[in-house]
Amino acid sequence: GAVVSQHPSWVICKSGTSVKIECRSLDFQATTMFWYRQFPKQSLMLMATSNEGSKATYEQGVEKDKFLINHASLTLSTLTVTSAHPEDSSFYICSASLSRELITDTQYFGPGTRLTVL
Amino acid sequence: QKEVEQDPGPLSVPEGAIVSLNCTYSNSAFQYFMWYRQYSRKGPELLMYTYSSGNKEDGRFTAQVDKSSKYISLFIRDSQPSDSATYLCAMSAGAGKSTFGDGTTLTVKP
Repeated sequence: GAVVSQHPSWVICKSGTSVKIECRSLDFQATTMFWYRQFPKQSLMLMATSNEGSKATYEQGVEKDKFLINHASLTLSTLTVTSAHPEDSSFYICSASLSRELITDTQYFGPGTRLTVL
Repeated sequence: QKEVEQDPGPLSVPEGAIVSLNCTYSNSAFQYFMWYRQYSRKGPELLMYTYSSGNKEDGRFTAQVDKSSKYISLFIRDSQPSDSATYLCAMSAGAGKSTFGDGTTLTVKP
């Protein structure tokens, strides 16, 4: 149980275009989803916390107009990187908390999406 | 100073060795302690979680939490080459998000 999927697994795009990444909880309802980015050999950097039906909470330094997050249902959250530039190239990972386990703050991660902006 | 400190390694051990991975933290409000394993180019997977102080065992893995010392450990017994990965500690105060360590890269050599 507790499977989280991401799509696409990798994407290459031209500078200036927008890219959408989907995060789905496959066998459970996720009240809260998190979006991270990770640079090579570095740890996870939390970008935002997304709650179903409400606006995402962004971490300090993360541009909300550049990284648009939508959490339309209890099983789907999307991250759109708008007007992507080469410095946005990174590994983007989502995670979800099981509603009943929210108190423990254990997170189940997706497999990640590797974004390369040319 | 970071809230969670974790030695990045790399750590290299022979197959069958006992591995000890550790994290220290500064936030007394942390109550939930997790260990995640991340293979290269993959998302992290939850290995173990512990609430408050004490030990928890699951197969070859044992997690220990010492809140008085603000120190947590993950022990891997009879380590296998398939255990080679980056191990991330994470902790939270129960407020909905976790603080992660930088990860320790482990290599188990056959």
